[in-house]
Amino acid sequence: AQKITQTQPGMFVQEKEAVTLDCTYDTSDPSYGLFWYKQPSSGEMIFLIYQGSYDQQNATEGRYSLNFQKARKSANLVISASQLGDSAMYFCAMREDYTGANSKLTFGKGITLSVRP
Amino acid sequence: KAGVTQTPRYLIKTRGQQVTLSCSPISGHRSVSWYQQTPGQGLQFLFEYFSETQRNKGNFPGRFSGRQFSNSRSEMNVSTLELGDSALYLCASSFQSGLNEKLFFGSGTQLSVL
Repeated sequence: AQKITQTQPGMFVQEKEAVTLDCTYDTSDPSYGLFWYKQPSSGEMIFLIYQGSYDQQNATEGRYSLNFQKARKSANLVISASQLGDSAMYFCAMREDYTGANSKLTFGKGITLSVRP
Repeated sequence: KAGVTQTPRYLIKTRGQQVTLSCSPISGHRSVSWYQQTPGQGLQFLFEYFSETQRNKGNFPGRFSGRQFSNSRSEMNVSTLELGDSALYLCASSFQSGLNEKLFFGSGTQLSVL
């Protein structure tokens, strides 16, 4: 079974509008972390936001927020007030079973977001 | 502070050859990880080094190897290249390991195997 699932096809959003990118995950570990990264055409992966499994509140970072629904195992990224520069691939990732000696991230397949002017 | 630097940016090799990719992490970062990104398989974890020791390894054949030097710089080597090794290879660094430790990625090395 896939650990991170991103099933949306390419997404389109009008500039200045909000958009939600879906991510569901699968783990039996009670302690895990969820990340979202953005990858523009240049190739570099850019960290956007982090949510820990024990965090009581949904994470926010500027225009990015994470809609964390633990029981449903979903961690959707919400981008408010979309900008043309937000056009990129977006990846959801998870780190689990942390023992102090593992920094491996498991990534989803990614979602392409295109912002229309 | 300089980001993660990967060299070269592009590489073209032929089947059977070997290749070495280089990664310089952010100054002070001790952990370096490598990922392979292909259109079909997505991003897959190769291995992680911390203070010159390999701490974790993904499901890749032994043709893929790496090392980390005392200055935290890392190299990845692929021997006997196959067509399927064509991919974007991404290096990432972090200061230490932790559940919430974010990885900082380089721009990658695009390897094409002909």
